Amino acid sequence: GAGVSQSPRYKVAKRGQDVALRCDPISGHVSLFWYQQALGQGPEFLTYFQNEAQLDKSGLPSDRFFAERPEGSVSTLKIQRTQQEDSAVYLCASSSLAGGPGEQYFGPGTRLTVT
Amino acid sequence: RKEVEQDPGPFNVPEGATVAFNCTYSNSASQSFFWYRQDCRKEPKLLMSVYSSGNEDGRFTAQLNRASQYISLLIRDSKLSDSATYLCVVNGAGNMLTFGGGTRLMVKP
Repeated sequence: GAGVSQSPRYKVAKRGQDVALRCDPISGHVSLFWYQQALGQGPEFLTYFQNEAQLDKSGLPSDRFFAERPEGSVSTLKIQRTQQEDSAVYLCASSSLAGGPGEQYFGPGTRLTVT
Repeated sequence: RKEVEQDPGPFNVPEGATVAFNCTYSNSASQSFFWYRQDCRKEPKLLMSVYSSGNEDGRFTAQLNRASQYISLLIRDSKLSDSATYLCVVNGAGNMLTFGGGTRLMVKP
């Protein structure tokens, strides 16, 4: 079956540009998470959705970061006025309610480079 | 201080060796514990959960010491295919996962 997919896989943006990163979770998965992974570091939590409700956005680093999941399926992470420190891999993960809290399935990530 | 701390390595071991990784976490309210594996330029994947009683999955053994806030992973009879970064992961309230920085393992022939 299909896993979590993300697009684009790679994105190069000039500083100041806006970017939109898409995540297609596993069909039927209620929970969706976004993480940011800098080079040589572990993933860091950004935000969490249960269906269309954004239940936790405590990890978003600034108000330039915005995420949505309007129909409870596909999610978009938007970064406005990108800065060099936004360069990282952005990982999306999904899980079902039936799974345990650690059973999150990750997509391949979008590697964002801000020049 | 990071919430979940790991030795970044790399650990360079020969095939067949036994290797152990440790991890400490700072939030005593943490409820669930896991090891994830991440291959180079790939996404993290759940390796195993960690239970207070200790648990084993083939060549892999995970242990949790809640009193010391310490988690370990032991790999016996290392294979070349075990080369990866091993991420220690903690779950607190809600479903958010907190990852350590990862420990890199290189198994050599």
